[in-house]
Amino acid sequence: QQPVQSPQAVILREGEDAVINCSSSKALYSVHWYRQKHGEAPVFLMILLKGGEQKGHDKISASFNEKKQQSSLYLTASQLSYSGTYFCGTGSTGGFKTIFGAGTRLFVKA
Amino acid sequence: NAGVTQTPKFRVLKTGQSMTLLCAQDMNHEYMYWYRQDPGMGLRLIHYSVGEGTTAKGEVPDGYNVSRLKKQNFLLGLESAAPSQTSVYFCASRLRTGIQEGNEKLFFGSGTQLSVL
Repeated sequence: QQPVQSPQAVILREGEDAVINCSSSKALYSVHWYRQKHGEAPVFLMILLKGGEQKGHDKISASFNEKKQQSSLYLTASQLSYSGTYFCGTGSTGGFKTIFGAGTRLFVKA
Repeated sequence: NAGVTQTPKFRVLKTGQSMTLLCAQDMNHEYMYWYRQDPGMGLRLIHYSVGEGTTAKGEVPDGYNVSRLKKQNFLLGLESAAPSQTSVYFCASRLRTGIQEGNEKLFFGSGTQLSVL
């Protein structure tokens, strides 16, 4: 079952912050975040593992709360290059596959 | 270093025609995947393979077949194409980045735009 992402789309001005949420009805072992630019393939951003960890990637960070089966991606001081579609992908214990959410379209304007 | 290569990049089919999409990776990855991407639905897993000679169904396997005869190649077949299969198809392979289960990331190919008329 696909994880649920919110919001579906967000428009920001350069320098503003955004939060993208990802939740699942199934127990999670890991959460992946990917970004896809228009017309390109998705590119890996980060993985968060069971244990409630938080990670950062430049000014993009994420948290994972396995008890709530939720993850959030935080984009601070957004840049034009952050525009794209963000996908969360979830992995379950014993599974070999990553199931993705429907994506969140982020548009950063000058 | 090519990574994951998909061929063809574009294809137009008529309803009922068949075709095969090829995915090749040069990273010696064990796991390979086929996803389809449709507006508003994200990336949905069609089939996947955990090693040479193995395949398994994903979320939306109907109407597709796959084969993994060689470790580096993963083929996706459409036996009788339907307009509902119009989509962008992405192949991915998986690198295990750590010993902890779930600690891996996907490398994607550039995609195949398929239109079925």
